[in-house]
Amino acid sequence: AQSVTQPDIHITVSEGASLELRCNYSYGATPYLFWYVQSPGQGLQLLLKYFSGDTLVQGIKGFEAEFKRSQSSFNLRKPSVHWSDAAEYFCTVATYSGSARQLTFGSGTQLTVLP
Amino acid sequence: SQTIHQWPATLVQPVGSPLSLECTVEGTSNPNLYWYRQAAGRGLQLLFYSVGIGQISSEVPQNLSASRPQDRQFILSSKKLLLSDSGFYLCAWSVQPGGGVYEQYFGPGTRLTVT
Repeated sequence: AQSVTQPDIHITVSEGASLELRCNYSYGATPYLFWYVQSPGQGLQLLLKYFSGDTLVQGIKGFEAEFKRSQSSFNLRKPSVHWSDAAEYFCTVATYSGSARQLTFGSGTQLTVLP
Repeated sequence: SQTIHQWPATLVQPVGSPLSLECTVEGTSNPNLYWYRQAAGRGLQLLFYSVGIGQISSEVPQNLSASRPQDRQFILSSKKLLLSDSGFYLCAWSVQPGGGVYEQYFGPGTRLTVT
């Protein structure tokens, strides 16, 4: 069965520092991968997605992610974190069930940004 | 452009009372619709999904039910709420599988507290 692991429950970085959030997936076929962000009390916003092609994908808000098939990883990065990036981040894989695509979510990584 | 609405935004209900949460999508036709629950400090759990009017698939046996009376309306219900039903409920939509588009778009959520 497919699964997504986010090994870091909570990460704290200083504003202006670089950021990398880790994600490992387990899926037998070609994965369709996403990163979502959730601010407190809000819904989820799509940051970026990977389906095929270039393994380095760019997203909104200055985020990027790199797909590494050999490591089954899809890590999220940002070169310089802003205070507004404090939120919870979910790595997600899309799978096919019946007649619908479903998303399997990681448990999330809570990001705290220090001034 | 497409938008997704959920109401109410917050709800406090006593144990044993009924529940009705509504989700509507604008700007698209024949979407796949999803209900998720997010318990405090935990990831997202898929509760139901629907690929068309009157077509509901349940992912987790529970005290809840879902209905899709119209193409862009998705309702989550319960006849008698339990304490364990407390959580943050998110509705999402996606286009039908195919065409390489598999991401889901989330509504703002409903915070349900059962007392």
